Amino acid sequence: GENVEQHPSTLSVQEGDSAVIKCTYSDSASNYFPWYKQELGKRPQLIIDIRSNVGEKKDQRIAVTLNKTAKHFSLHITETQPEDSAVYFCAAIGGGADGLTFGKGTHLIIQP
Amino acid sequence: DSGVTQTPKHLITATGQRVTLRCSPRSGDLSVYWYQQSLDQGLQFLIQYYNGEERAKGNILERFSAQQFPDLHSELNLSSLELGDSALYFCASSVVGINTGELFFGEGSRLTVL
Repeated sequence: GENVEQHPSTLSVQEGDSAVIKCTYSDSASNYFPWYKQELGKRPQLIIDIRSNVGEKKDQRIAVTLNKTAKHFSLHITETQPEDSAVYFCAAIGGGADGLTFGKGTHLIIQP
Repeated sequence: DSGVTQTPKHLITATGQRVTLRCSPRSGDLSVYWYQQSLDQGLQFLIQYYNGEERAKGNILERFSAQQFPDLHSELNLSSLELGDSALYFCASSVVGINTGELFFGEGSRLTVL
């Protein structure tokens, strides 16, 4: 099945700076890559997703890039704000019927 | 509010016991997914149901079972509980399948096994 690796596990940035979280996946047939944000004590919520026929997608301060050849995708958050502090999960769905596989998460800390 | 309802929110039980977690998906969603979240393992996919039928299976233990009923609600049964089963169990739903869009998560059921 699919295997998703996510780095770093913890990321601390100054408010206003950019943050980048990287993920790699194993199944070359994977074609859907969402990112979920989970605030402390809350449920995960989708913030952005990208499909394999697109190399980059942007939504205000967040963007996702996908490199299918290298099998990696990244989340970019610009002009970080205190409310960006959360755990971010990348995910991928493999070519088989094996559900959505999540990375282990990145705890993003925004320092004032 | 995602529209996905999970009960109970919290559950404390002893080793060897059996519990049932319940999930009602968003109105109109046919797919239900169960995930286990523990501190060191992130979100582990357990199982997916689509319109009453099992669609995909992840790392679900044999001691665990699930089903989706005709009204589309789902139950996750955990038996012969061990300390390591303590975790937050999330249910999520989607309109059809994952490739068609967003997963909507419930608030989770926190299971503590003592």
